[in-house]
Amino acid sequence: QVQLVESGGGVVQPGGSLRLSCAASGFTFSSYGIHWVRQAPGKGLEWVAFIENDGSRVHYADSVQGRYTISRDNSRNTLFLQMNSLRVEDTAVYYCAKDLWYCFDFWGQGALVTVSS
Amino acid sequence: HSALTQPPSASGSPGQSVTISCTGTSSDIGAYNYVSWYQQHPGQAPKLMIYEVRKRPSGVPDRFSGSKSGNTASLTVSGLQAEDEADYYCCSDAGNNNFVFGTGTKVTVL
Repeated sequence: QVQLVESGGGVVQPGGSLRLSCAASGFTFSSYGIHWVRQAPGKGLEWVAFIENDGSRVHYADSVQGRYTISRDNSRNTLFLQMNSLRVEDTAVYYCAKDLWYCFDFWGQGALVTVSS
Repeated sequence: HSALTQPPSASGSPGQSVTISCTGTSSDIGAYNYVSWYQQHPGQAPKLMIYEVRKRPSGVPDRFSGSKSGNTASLTVSGLQAEDEADYYCCSDAGNNNFVFGTGTKVTVL
């Protein structure tokens, strides 16, 4: 069965950096694009970034463009999200989600990122 | 892109139907047939319920149905059951490789 497991969350000060990972199993990782979606505490969902199956295309929400970098290692079935210049408003649970042609068909359990001084 | 507009809450008794609206613009819902719906129980990850406006993934009961008219999409849950009580979010392709989610609707089974 499809499994996505995020790791790397934690507490960081404003202006700091953090790197999230998402380990995938149960499907051919190199055949699918993957997204990051976040959810601030008590708030709704926000799409963050997308990477094509082979890493050839990446796209970002305006709110993270220039600060976040999405990447993947298909040899390790792992997705990454490098987050720099973090702001208080970046505090959220970050989910990785498998792409199914303009939607998200499987989600991980999420990793909490807290940006606070 | 601004979030798609959903009613904050909706409710119905067991066995009844509830319909949730999701209003966007001609740049997102009105432009593409890539509307999806997600169910989220407290403390859990979202689950895909509807994609491409009206298609159901394997394992999703046919009590869940989707539709779209103009800039508004809708999710209908027929024959409400206790386990349907959850938050529901719509999502649309917004062009230029962007996606926009709805504001979310809390469904209560009375």
